[in-house]
Amino acid sequence: DAGITQSPRHKVTETGTPVTLRCHQTENHRYMYWYRQDPGHGLRLIHYSYGVKDTDKGEVSDGYSVSRSKTEDFLLTLESATSSQTSVYFCAISAGPGGEAEAFFGQGTRLTVV
Amino acid sequence: DAKTTQPPSMDCAEGRAANLPCNHSTISGNEYVYWYRQIHSQGPQYIIHGLKNNETNEMASLIITEDRKSSTLILPHATLRDTAVYYCIVRDTGTASKLTFGTGTRLQVTL
Repeated sequence: DAGITQSPRHKVTETGTPVTLRCHQTENHRYMYWYRQDPGHGLRLIHYSYGVKDTDKGEVSDGYSVSRSKTEDFLLTLESATSSQTSVYFCAISAGPGGEAEAFFGQGTRLTVV
Repeated sequence: DAKTTQPPSMDCAEGRAANLPCNHSTISGNEYVYWYRQIHSQGPQYIIHGLKNNETNEMASLIITEDRKSSTLILPHATLRDTAVYYCIVRDTGTASKLTFGTGTRLQVTL
């Protein structure tokens, strides 16, 4: 299995509080992604990174920010958590940018905003 | 990225081959076909991918039609542990191209 660790694995937080999720990889892959998964929507891309300090938005980026100060860590921050951000969050990594390089996923973080 | 169409569910008897179809009629020349699966609420697991040629690995085989408009994932000897949702995805070679997951095929392997 690819060396991807997400933390925490489970979190319950209150509406309006900031929350940071961490994705840590030991593969030295350049590309990292944050997805969320909700019933009826499949996995949707939030943000991605194509190198240290290089990030870009995905299709559902509102209310989220990311940072990547080291190759191995990609942080996802909910600036002010809302109930609509209750979801399962998955991190993925990939050695290459596109179709020729497979992406591997972490085990997910289940976030509940109350 | 091209869209894919998969049947919502399939059944397969344990020990038999599971053949999961996928239609991607709008696929373009630089797009790869990927298959992932997700068991319960675990992270999606990479299975196999290909561009034009058929591919085989320790998990499965991928058969891509000559016109590349459809493909089939084959699990040669399905087990109960193969019960999962299987996603067929097309992915281009652009910068940090994302994986667009549809709703997949729920494969139920039975005794």
